Amino acid sequence: EAQVTQNPRYLITVTGKKLTVTCSQNMNHEYMSWYRQDPGLGLRQIYYSMNVEVTDKGDVPEGYKVSRKEKRNFPLILESPSPNQTSLYFCASSTSGLAGGGTYNEQFFGPGTRLTVL
Amino acid sequence: QKEVEQNSGPLSVPEGAIASLNCTYSDRVSQSFFWYRQYSGKSPELIMSIYSNGDKEDGRFTAQLNKASQYVSLLIRDSQPSDSATYLCAVNMSHRGSTLGRLYFGRGTQLTVWP
Repeated sequence: EAQVTQNPRYLITVTGKKLTVTCSQNMNHEYMSWYRQDPGLGLRQIYYSMNVEVTDKGDVPEGYKVSRKEKRNFPLILESPSPNQTSLYFCASSTSGLAGGGTYNEQFFGPGTRLTVL
Repeated sequence: QKEVEQNSGPLSVPEGAIASLNCTYSDRVSQSFFWYRQYSGKSPELIMSIYSNGDKEDGRFTAQLNKASQYVSLLIRDSQPSDSATYLCAVNMSHRGSTLGRLYFGRGTQLTVWP
């Protein structure tokens, strides 16, 4: 079954304790992305990756790190979590699409990780 | 500044009515447009994609695209209570001058269909 998986699904942690949220896709997609979703603010992109070893900042990258060593995996790292990082996090993947080129990149989302930082 | 704007709602319609959801975007060269449905606490689910001007129909859903006006809409006919969700508009736009696009999302419109 084609899917994007995330782990853990729920996490409660304390300020400053490093954590990693894993993301894996089995669709051979080049593009992967992390979003956070907060009430009233919609989906905001944290980081994205166009392919292995190619990552770039999205709209809200502060306090996060990512790596893309393998095509299927794109972990999100919080080196020193703070309460303002309490949120619902989604990983997504797609084929790469050219901007304005008529191609497309329908994104498939993982189930989400609900993170609470105390 | 890339922007995708949606009416935040909430939009409330009776069962059986047509629900109309609207979205505008800022990048004139955008070619790919998507509508996602998101139930509370769940991940977004792709329900429609459209790439050409005009209408695209899929069951009870119709997406409408007008590139000249930079406007995309979603119509849901014969609305059902199970359609109650937040609907996200997403547009593929260039990012930092790259030729590869990324999706920009609107903040979503909350739809309630009451019996």
